[in-house]
Amino acid sequence: DVELVESGGGLVQPGGSLRLSCTASGFAFSSYEMNWVRQSPGKGLEWLSYISSTGSTIYIADSVKGRLTVSRDNAKDSVYLQMNSLRAEDTAVYFCARDLGSRTGLVYWGQGTLVTVSS
Amino acid sequence: SYDLTQPPAVSVSPGQTATITCSGDKLGDKYTCWYQKKPGQPPVLVVYQDSKRPSGIPDRFSGSNSGDTATLTVSGTQAMDEADYYCQAWDSGDVIFGGGTKLTVL
Repeated sequence: DVELVESGGGLVQPGGSLRLSCTASGFAFSSYEMNWVRQSPGKGLEWLSYISSTGSTIYIADSVKGRLTVSRDNAKDSVYLQMNSLRAEDTAVYFCARDLGSRTGLVYWGQGTLVTVSS
Repeated sequence: SYDLTQPPAVSVSPGQTATITCSGDKLGDKYTCWYQKKPGQPPVLVVYQDSKRPSGIPDRFSGSNSGDTATLTVSGTQAMDEADYYCQAWDSGDVIFGGGTKLTVL
């Protein structure tokens, strides 16, 4: 079965940094594009980033551009989200998600990891 | 930037049909997906490529997309269908989500 497991969330002070990981199993990770999506408390889903199967193509949402970087290690079946200069409004559950195909739909999601930005 | 607009809330009686719309400029020229989101759970893809259902999704969920509006229809709505629903499309490389619609089954 396909499984995505996020880790790395927690409490961080404003201005701090955090690196989230998403480890995949049950499919050929190196063949699939991956995305990060978050949901802040009481808010809707917000897409953050896309990374192609090889890592050669990356898209970042304008709302977080300059503060987020995404990378992947296909040898470790993992994708990463580096978040810098964190703000209170970055408090959210962060999900990694895999597309069904290419630009088809995000069919597999992890359970999410909670990031709380607070002093 | 490209925007998708959904009604904040839709209510339906059990067994009836719920219709949730998603509007965007020439949205019919793009593929649209729909997700169901319940509290404490990850989103579930219920419709992709406008009208296709992933494996395991009941056939009471259906979708369409034409002109500026995509529509998710839930036929024979059940109590378990009460959730937030989000439309999603792609604009160039970016993934765009609608603001979400809370479906209440009264």
